[in-house]
Amino acid sequence: AQKVTQAQTEISVVEKEDVTLDCVYETRDTTYYLFWYKQPPSGELVFLIRRNSFDEQNEISGRYSWNFQKSTSSFNFTITASQVVDSAVYFCALSEAARGNEKLTFGTGTRLTIIP
Amino acid sequence: ETGVTQSPTHLIKTRGQQVTLRCSSQSGHNTVSWYQQALGQGPQFIFQYYREEENGRGNFPPRFSGLQFPNYSSELNVNALELDDSALYLCATSFHLGTDYGYTFGSGTRLTVV
Repeated sequence: AQKVTQAQTEISVVEKEDVTLDCVYETRDTTYYLFWYKQPPSGELVFLIRRNSFDEQNEISGRYSWNFQKSTSSFNFTITASQVVDSAVYFCALSEAARGNEKLTFGTGTRLTIIP
Repeated sequence: ETGVTQSPTHLIKTRGQQVTLRCSSQSGHNTVSWYQQALGQGPQFIFQYYREEENGRGNFPPRFSGLQFPNYSSELNVNALELDDSALYLCATSFHLGTDYGYTFGSGTRLTVV
């Protein structure tokens, strides 16, 4: 069975600080996808990144970066120079890569609060 | 990534009633999944439809049922509503195009059972 663990329930940092959100996953599949979503108070899940299990290159997108380490089954997310607009709940998720079977298994989320 | 519309946005029902939630997506998104997100929790997989047939189900009772239509719209039906069914219900659609793979969520329907 697949499992995603986000051990940090809540994090608060002062604006402009860097913050890392942890994600550890379990799966028996050799091919899978990892995701990060942002959920602001409005409730919509906003897609941030999708990573194929065969691609272990770290990725940077503006102030966001992701560190995928297969050896430790982790897919951590770092926000550099945090801003108040980054305040939200962030979810890490895992899915199989089989066509027609894209069930996502979510972690319990990390509530990030950026203090002005 | 956009293109998934859910209706209604909010709904209040009485315990024991039935409810139908709707989702529409872009052409070509032939897989649709429904998720339940209770307050303070991560979304939980309810079931998935692929080409109009159920193709996977989570740990939800049979009173949760669904339909997918040829026009890429979908419905989630819940019978005999219970107070614990109060949650945000999210629809997600996905597509495969060559090596590309997309998975998009709607903004959800917030259901309150009283």
